[in-house]
Amino acid sequence: DVKVTQSSRYLVKRTGEKVFLECVQDMDHENMFWYRQDPGLGLRLIYFSYDVKMKEKGDIPEGYSVSREKKERFSLILESASTNQTSMYLCASSFHGGGHQPQHFGDGTRLSIL
Amino acid sequence: KNEVEQSPQNLTAQEGEFITINCSYSVGISALHWLQQHPGGGIVSLFMLSSGKKKHGRLIATINIQEKHSSLHITASHPRDSAVYICAVDKGGSEKLVFGKGTKLTVNP
Repeated sequence: DVKVTQSSRYLVKRTGEKVFLECVQDMDHENMFWYRQDPGLGLRLIYFSYDVKMKEKGDIPEGYSVSREKKERFSLILESASTNQTSMYLCASSFHGGGHQPQHFGDGTRLSIL
Repeated sequence: KNEVEQSPQNLTAQEGEFITINCSYSVGISALHWLQQHPGGGIVSLFMLSSGKKKHGRLIATINIQEKHSSLHITASHPRDSAVYICAVDKGGSEKLVFGKGTKLTVNP
């Protein structure tokens, strides 16, 4: 089975801190995604990567950056955390192949910024 | 207006009932996905379809491309089916999905 592992289930940080969320997948997937999920808004794409060192902005990239130095690992970085970044963060991966490939999700990281 | 709309937003049923969740979209698509999210956060892909109908156990997904509409049915519902069900579409030529806001299903014993 595909395993997508996010480094933390729960995380509490302070305003202004630099925050790293890590995601690792074990199925050699080309595509990796970072989403945030907020009540009433559904899943929104922050960033997407289709290959090592390649990245593409999603719908809400402001305040975030990403890093993909190795195929299996995709990191989300909050450059200077703010309270409006308190949310559930979900990582996903898939094979390259358009929308005809299922995305496999991690368990999510519930991040609180105080 | 959202490109993917789900209804109802919330649904409560008694164990054993037949459940239908609807998804309408306003864009051309190459595939539609149904996902399940249990309390606690993990999301699982249930179905991916571009035409017709798929069945897996008690779950059935249908899609009507002309009407831009898909339904997810659950037969003989059970409390363990309680979850948020999410519809997502691929607009074609993209690796990215557009998500509906989800339908929260509660099945009471």
